[in-house]
Formats: sequence, C-alpha cells, structure tokens
Amino acid sequence: NAGVTQTPKFQVLKTGQSMTLQCAQDMNHNSMYWYRQDPGMGLRLIYYSASEGTTDKGEVPNGYNVSRLNKREFSLRLESAAPSQTSVYFCASSLYSGGNSPLHFGNGTRLTVT
Amino acid sequence: KQEVTQIPAALSVPEGENLVLNCSFTDSAIYNLQWFRQDPGKGLTSLLLIQSSQREQTSGRLNASLDKSSGRSTLYIAASQPGDSATYLCAVNGGYGGATNKLIFGTGTLLAVQP
Repeated sequence: NAGVTQTPKFQVLKTGQSMTLQCAQDMNHNSMYWYRQDPGMGLRLIYYSASEGTTDKGEVPNGYNVSRLNKREFSLRLESAAPSQTSVYFCASSLYSGGNSPLHFGNGTRLTVT
Repeated sequence: KQEVTQIPAALSVPEGENLVLNCSFTDSAIYNLQWFRQDPGKGLTSLLLIQSSQREQTSGRLNASLDKSSGRSTLYIAASQPGDSATYLCAVNGGYGGATNKLIFGTGTLLAVQP
C-alpha cells in the first residue's frame, strides 16, 4: 500500500551542487507531476508527464529537468542548485492527465540550499 | 491568469462545531475543483472533486459546493473533531485552458479543532 514514494525525505545542498529527487508510484497511474510548496505561495507545478515517454513544463520549470524513466518513475533534477530552490517538493500521480482523476501525493522532499 | 484565494488563512473552532472553508477563483472556465487535506510534514490527501457541471459533492461529514459563475467553492465540515485539524487546500483544474490535471492551488486554510 505504498502509493507515491519520494526519496530522499530531507536534503541539504550547497549552492551550485546538483541532485536528483526520485519518485515512484505503484498504482499503475499514467500521469505524474512535480510540485513545489513555498510559504505563502501555495503549490506550483514544475513539470508533469501525461504519459510514459512525454514530459511538459508547468508554471515554474526554470532550473529543473525531469525524466520519466518508465511508467512507475518520474525524477526531478536540479543541475546547479540555488537558494531560491529551497522548498518542499511533492511528487503526485493520477490515473489520467485529463478528465477527473484525483491526484495522489507523496510525503515530500524538504530541500535546503545554502 | 487564474488565481485561487482561500479565506481565512487560519481558523480555530471548538469540537462539535459545523464550519465552512472558502475558496475563490478568478477565471470561471474551470474543468473541476478539488479539495485536499494536508497534515503537518505530510503530502496532500484528496478529499473531494467537483466537476464543473456539478453543484456539490459529499463524503461523510464533508460537503463541497461549487458556484462557477461567481468563482466560489465552499467546504462544509459537520460536527468537527480534533482529528480534522489540518491545512485544507483547494485547487482548480483548467487554469491552462484545457482539461488537464495541472492544478492551480490556493494557499490553504489552517484549521485547528479544540477538544
């Protein structure tokens, strides 16, 4: 009954370092998403993948890249971390990208960039 | 550009009270509206999804209504319990002009139910 699993749970980076946030879902969902949550800003969409093999930009894609490795896994990469990327990152999945499929969220990765 | 606002930002009520959380959005051309619950340090849990053609949805003690023309939704919680304490977020689907699941979120209402 894992649902959406994110690793790591916490991470501290220095400015300029790179890292990849991992996300996997076991619900056979077609669509996956990366959001960031900042105080006073709500959740904002970074990238999404409507189906395996496709990715598209969301509202705040600058400074990030994504890979839809297979149907289960969707990773988010920070090539050169900046303090502005300090945030809580959430991965989510849904059965379909369109229609009325509720989103299922992971528990988040808390990233601090110093 | 679609904007979603939730008022109040925080609410404290005694156990047993019925309460209403508010959500407003600026563009009425939405595909659906979703309500989520977020516990501290956790991800979001989907509570209710109202399609644009619907007026309300109910799940247990929760009832969500949607008035597209006025750009408003409410989440009604009946007979509140301490376990209802959490942040409640609403999100609209369709802010990018299509029936995609790219949600635009409000900043949430932090609810505390006092025993």
